[in-house]
Amino acid sequence: QSALTQPASVSGSPGQSITISCTGTSNDVGSYNLVSWYQQLPGKAPKLIIYDVSKRPSGVSNRFSGSKSGNTASLTISGLQAEDDADYYCCSYARGSTWVFGGGSKLTVL
Amino acid sequence: EVHLVQSGAEVKKPGATVKISCKISGYTFTDYYIHWVQQAPGKGLEWMGLVDPEDDETIYAEKFQGRVTITADTSTDTAYMELSSLRSEDTAVYYCTTGARTNWPHWGQGTLVTVSS
Repeated sequence: QSALTQPASVSGSPGQSITISCTGTSNDVGSYNLVSWYQQLPGKAPKLIIYDVSKRPSGVSNRFSGSKSGNTASLTISGLQAEDDADYYCCSYARGSTWVFGGGSKLTVL
Repeated sequence: EVHLVQSGAEVKKPGATVKISCKISGYTFTDYYIHWVQQAPGKGLEWMGLVDPEDDETIYAEKFQGRVTITADTSTDTAYMELSSLRSEDTAVYYCTTGARTNWPHWGQGTLVTVSS
């Protein structure tokens, strides 16, 4: 059960779009459309922003979108805002009915 | 509205056992699995395991297998996570979380466990 691979850091200017990748294997991301994304602000619990690869919970901005191709899932944030400055984690269902998180990506809004 | 309220911070010595609670309200307790997630200081999230409150079935991450026990008490709508043989690397914030089968919109506030001699 190795962690999914995410870039440690990404950055962008307000108004721009950024994409965070999440690479797994055929044992997790590649075999199931059960990838979710969480946003975590410092000192706070994670917040669900995308589930089942591309679905958005009620109340989450449509600036957040998700996709998947093969063993890699992606989170795109468009129209970057200062409030998007946070850590982002992907999470996938995996063989053996387990779950695995990515290592996390620190998004800096310049 | 769904609420998950966790027990308070703990300080434990190496080799000890810690048991954290997660009191759930706002939905039928047996409807959803309850998961536990570890976050060491400055590190990422790590899935520890889950319990199905309907039948007490548990699944644990390989890393914690043998040291973690997750239970659910349907009489009090409370889930528990017990971690034994504590070592310094177990110093972390532990979260309980729940929701639909494939995603977890509801989280507890986190419980800090410090392991120190």
